[in-house]
Amino acid sequence: AQRVTQPEKLLSVFKGAPVELKCNYSYSGSPELFWYVQYSRQRLQLLLRHISRESIKGFTADLNKGETSFHLKKPFAQEEDSAMYYCALNAGNMLTFGGGTRLMVKP
Amino acid sequence: ETGVTQTPRHLVMGMTNKKSLKCEQHLGHNAMYWYKQSAKKPLELMFVYNFKEQTENNSVPSRFSPECPNSSHLFLHLHTLQPEDSALYLCASSQDWDNGNQPQHFGDGTRLSIL
Repeated sequence: AQRVTQPEKLLSVFKGAPVELKCNYSYSGSPELFWYVQYSRQRLQLLLRHISRESIKGFTADLNKGETSFHLKKPFAQEEDSAMYYCALNAGNMLTFGGGTRLMVKP
Repeated sequence: ETGVTQTPRHLVMGMTNKKSLKCEQHLGHNAMYWYKQSAKKPLELMFVYNFKEQTENNSVPSRFSPECPNSSHLFLHLHTLQPEDSALYLCASSQDWDNGNQPQHFGDGTRLSIL
């Protein structure tokens, strides 16, 4: 069965510092991975997907099949990045979510 | 309102009540989903409907009964719930179920409390 693990429930960094939110997955097939974000008082929304290989709001994520990871990175965190971040794996057309990491960016 | 709309936003019910959650999407999507988000647990997929047909039931107890009358509306009928069913119930939609690279669009959720 597929599984997504986000080992950090809370990540606190200062503004301007680099940030990396970790995501590891287990899945025997070819994975399709996503990062979703939920800002305060807003609904859960897609941030980026690995197939697009794009940078959204300065965030990037690279799929590393050898390490079964899809870590989310941003070189300089901003206060408006504070939110809950969820890594998700699409396996057999079903999304499996990680437990989420709350990112707090302090001024 | 565009996007995915869920009503009610909050619901308090007793264990013997019957209630329904409603989800509506105006995105022209063909797939709709129910998720459960409990405290201290990851978001859990409950049901998937594609073109009004149920394609997934993720071992959900029968006290939860979904209904999809058309591609734009999805209901979750609740009956004889347990206290552990208290959670945030999220609805989502995507263009098609069988294209896993398409993003899901979420509603705000219904916060359900079982007394």
